Amino acid sequence: EAQVTQNPRYLITVTGKKLTVTCSQNMNHEYMSWYRQDPGLGLRQIYYSMNVEVTDKGDVPEGYKVSRKEKRNFPLILESPSPNQTSLYFCASSLKTGNQPQHFGDGTRLSIL
Amino acid sequence: GDSVTQMEGPVTLSEEAFLTINCTYTATGYPSLFWYVQYPGEGLQLLLKATKADDKGSNKGFEATYRKETTSFHLEKGSVQVSDSAVYFCALGASGTYKYIFGTGTRLKVLA
Repeated sequence: EAQVTQNPRYLITVTGKKLTVTCSQNMNHEYMSWYRQDPGLGLRQIYYSMNVEVTDKGDVPEGYKVSRKEKRNFPLILESPSPNQTSLYFCASSLKTGNQPQHFGDGTRLSIL
Repeated sequence: GDSVTQMEGPVTLSEEAFLTINCTYTATGYPSLFWYVQYPGEGLQLLLKATKADDKGSNKGFEATYRKETTSFHLEKGSVQVSDSAVYFCALGASGTYKYIFGTGTRLKVLA
């Protein structure tokens, strides 16, 4: 089954404790992206990757890092999480560029205390 | 820069009512346009898409037409069901770039 898998689904942690949210897709997609969803703000793009070893900033990249060492994986790293990063996060992938429809994971709800 | 504006919700309708959710966009070039739906506790799912002017996307009774002259992509359904209750997002894929831009989402609640 074609899917985008995120882990964990839920995480409660404390300020400053490094964390990684994993994302994996099994569709051989070139393009992957991370979003955060906040009430009243919709989805905002954090980072995206056009292919292996190629990443770029979205609209809200501050406080986040990403890497794309393999085509299928695109982890989101919070080196020193802060409470303003409490949010619902989605990973997505698509075949190629930004004019293709995206496939989304089920989301990761992060609470930073 | 590119942007998407969609009507604020929530929208509350009775079953079998007609639905319209407005979406307008600002973009350079020729973006692709999408509607996604998000059910509670789930990720977004593609509902329909249109890639050029005058294209009509349709799926599950929902329709939207890419109107370049009015820069709009309004979502419509002739007769909503309780199971259509969800959050709907309008989005554009900017041509020549790798960026997606989403609207703020419109929550739809359909009452039996």
